[in-house]
Amino acid sequence: IAGITQAPTSQILAAGRRMTLRCTQDMRHNAMYWYRQDLGLGLRLIHYSNTAGTTGKGEVPDGYSVSRANTDDFPLTLASAVPSQTSVYFCASSEGEGSYNEQFFGPGTRLTVL
Amino acid sequence: GQNIDQPTEMTATEGAIVQINCTYQTSGFNGLFWYQQHAGEAPTFLSYNVLDGLEEKGRFSSFLSRSKGYSYLLLKELQMKDSASYLCAVRDSNYQLIWGAGTKLIIKP
Repeated sequence: IAGITQAPTSQILAAGRRMTLRCTQDMRHNAMYWYRQDLGLGLRLIHYSNTAGTTGKGEVPDGYSVSRANTDDFPLTLASAVPSQTSVYFCASSEGEGSYNEQFFGPGTRLTVL
Repeated sequence: GQNIDQPTEMTATEGAIVQINCTYQTSGFNGLFWYQQHAGEAPTFLSYNVLDGLEEKGRFSSFLSRSKGYSYLLLKELQMKDSASYLCAVRDSNYQLIWGAGTKLIIKP
């Protein structure tokens, strides 16, 4: 693995179903993030983690949960999917939360909730 | 509230120069980033400004004026592969990135 991987690449999901989007990084970065990207809108932060064992809420956390059991993995769970959660989801990581640290992005998961 | 404004779309000619503007109003400022995003792909880092002035990186330059809440990305010697969306993002007082909606740049031969 080099960088950040996400799975699945795309998914069609029935409303009400539970879904976990996976994200793994091999750069030993401390901070990880989940964004959603919708047409006409900027990337919006869902949840973040500044270090393993800690998580925080972003701008649009409702309906989503995360965990950070170790440095490499940061899964995002939709407990009961709704059509408004149809979006492209990007996982990102950075060395830390410091000012300069750029974020590196995974390839994204395209999720459709019907 | 926090706000990042960029033009929705711009068109330029191959070989020319284009300037993409970004204005921001955020709670605090801890740096401004520009990212490039090709259609269907992930954003990739282009530049970072935290002090006023111009940062140059090959064909790309980025400028920042903190007093005006303003930045621009300058792309020189445009190539067809520069057709992409360009995202402006500001790190706020909580060290979170606030993102603009992006500027879609179309390059014509």
